[in-house]
Amino acid sequence: DAGITQSPRYKITETGRQVTLMCHQTWSHSYMFWYRQDLGHGLRLIYYSAAADITDKGEVPDGYVVSRSKTENFPLTLESATRSQTSVYFCASSETDRGLNTEAFFGQGTRLTVV
Amino acid sequence: GDSVTQMEGPVTLSEEAFLTINCTYTATGYPSLFWYVQYPGEGLQLLLKATKADDKGSNKGFEATYRKETTSFHLEKGSVQVSDSAVYFCALSHYNQGGKLIFGQGTELSVKP
Repeated sequence: DAGITQSPRYKITETGRQVTLMCHQTWSHSYMFWYRQDLGHGLRLIYYSAAADITDKGEVPDGYVVSRSKTENFPLTLESATRSQTSVYFCASSETDRGLNTEAFFGQGTRLTVV
Repeated sequence: GDSVTQMEGPVTLSEEAFLTINCTYTATGYPSLFWYVQYPGEGLQLLLKATKADDKGSNKGFEATYRKETTSFHLEKGSVQVSDSAVYFCALSHYNQGGKLIFGQGTELSVKP
């Protein structure tokens, strides 16, 4: 199916465990993003990628690792999960047209609970 | 740094009421401005956007005008429906930054029949 898909949709993990959230897009967009959504904070950027093998930190990168070996995939790993990382995580992708931002397309989100 | 501030919710309206959700921003230069909508259990969808001062974005009866002088991008709709119940996010991004978005905190809208 065309679009951007995240997996899993729901995840419960224990403090200290490593967990990876997956994101896959079918449009071959250059840019991909990971945001977390927390009440009162809106969405905050964790990491983003401008192309395969190019990643950069966003506003709240601590405790997270990303990679982008293929254009279509952008996994987010929590190396040692903490309760403060309980959140809803959204992946997004976009393209630019002569530097202007086109629409960002969002996945349906992964609700992660760290116990 | 750049930031976006939205009016706090939740906002509760009766069907066919007029809607305004305030959004102001702080940014250098001339960012693009967006409104995204999130329906329950779903991801965000672009509702409308404006890329330069005095531009008006519109979609599905919603409108917002990019006001450089007041650094605002207020969302309006003349007559809301129950189906408009959702969380609305104001956001900005800068030219040549690949679509990185800075979001406001979101405003929940509940429309009662």
